[in-house]
Amino acid sequence: QQQVKQSPQSLIVQKGGISIINCAYENTAFDYFPWYQQFPGKGPALLIAIRPDVSEKKEGRFTISFNKSAKQFSLHIMDSQPGDSATYFCAASPGSTLGRLYFGRGTQLTVWP
Amino acid sequence: KAGVTQTPRYLIKTRGQQVTLSCSPISGHRSVSWYQQTPGQGLQFLFEYFSETQRNKGNFPGRFSGRQFSNSRSEMNVSTLELGDSALYLCASSHPGGNTEAFFGQGTRLTVV
Repeated sequence: QQQVKQSPQSLIVQKGGISIINCAYENTAFDYFPWYQQFPGKGPALLIAIRPDVSEKKEGRFTISFNKSAKQFSLHIMDSQPGDSATYFCAASPGSTLGRLYFGRGTQLTVWP
Repeated sequence: KAGVTQTPRYLIKTRGQQVTLSCSPISGHRSVSWYQQTPGQGLQFLFEYFSETQRNKGNFPGRFSGRQFSNSRSEMNVSTLELGDSALYLCASSHPGGNTEAFFGQGTRLTVV
């Protein structure tokens, strides 16, 4: 049973456009929501993370929006660049299980120049 | 600051054999988690170690085991390899406790033939 559902599976965006990836969860014990970026042949790299006490967090061109009541969160990549082409994973973790991350299935983003 | 180091990077093994993978966490990180990544199942949690003790375990058969040493380095072992064990095995290190950033290594690509 997938505890974190991610969509879309793949996304094609033109350079300069906005990329939006969505995730949803059911477990209300989740209280930490990171996003990871993975390039081929590399391990996932932490991009940005949010906790449910805030509704939005922005770091450069990357923004997480969080809707606690809907149990949804999303990643927005503004001014998407070809170098952003990678696979993005959302994840969630409940503090009670100490360090275990539940991952979404990933979104393969392609940014066309 | 050195990142998470996993060795070896690539392995080819035959069905029925066993394999040991190694992970050196970021200096000062005492929690090490292991994940299996496959195209079909995505990123799945194997287990987490802290202070040489397994704190959390995912839904994998007993053929998958691990351990952590006093210097926080960790190893995972897979016995009686099956074709379906072919995957990218990722190690992540973090400070102990939930809701802390987890940093991944580049992984070990295991191919079982």
